[in-house]
Amino acid sequence: AQKITQTQPGMFVQEKEAVTLDCTYDTSDQSYGLFWYKQPSSGEMIFLIYQGSYDEQNATEGRYSLNFQKARKSANLVISASQLGDSAMYFCAMRELMNRDDKIIFGKGTRLHILP
Amino acid sequence: GAVVSQHPSWVICKSGTSVKIECRSLDFQATTMFWYRQFPKQSLMLMATSNEGSKATYEQGVEKDKFLINHASLTLSTLTVTSAHPEDSSFYICSGVALHSYEQYFGPGTRLTVT
Repeated sequence: AQKITQTQPGMFVQEKEAVTLDCTYDTSDQSYGLFWYKQPSSGEMIFLIYQGSYDEQNATEGRYSLNFQKARKSANLVISASQLGDSAMYFCAMRELMNRDDKIIFGKGTRLHILP
Repeated sequence: GAVVSQHPSWVICKSGTSVKIECRSLDFQATTMFWYRQFPKQSLMLMATSNEGSKATYEQGVEKDKFLINHASLTLSTLTVTSAHPEDSSFYICSGVALHSYEQYFGPGTRLTVT
């Protein structure tokens, strides 16, 4: 069964510093996708970045990059030059692409606080 | 990205009544829709997966007779919470996936309070 683990319940980071949010996963499938979502206090889920299991390059989207280490089954999110608006809950998620259920499973999340 | 709407955005109902939440994909056809529940300071918990025109697949521990899901078209799925109890108070979020797409598009959520 697929599983996502986020070991950091909360983090405090100074504004403009880079921050790494940890995520490890477990799956027996060879084909899967990894996602990061941001959830501000309003509750909406904001898609940040995606990494496919067969993608050779680490995914990047603006200030977001995904440090994908397949052998370690980790998919850490790196936010460069953090901003006050980055304060939110962050969820790592995984989808087994060959699973006909197509469902995405979420980790427990990390609450990120950016300090001025 | 694609847009998913939910209605209502918040609702207060009395114990024993039923509440229907609508989830619409506005600019794409969602072959699969998911319903999640999120309690305060917790993660999203998948309740069920619905494919257009077929019965929903419920996750273990989710009562299918209490949480009725209908996915009658490629742009609309509904979740009906029947005989609501205060413990059903939660944030309900739907999402849709287009055919051959990896990305899941989330609705803004519905906050349900049962008094």
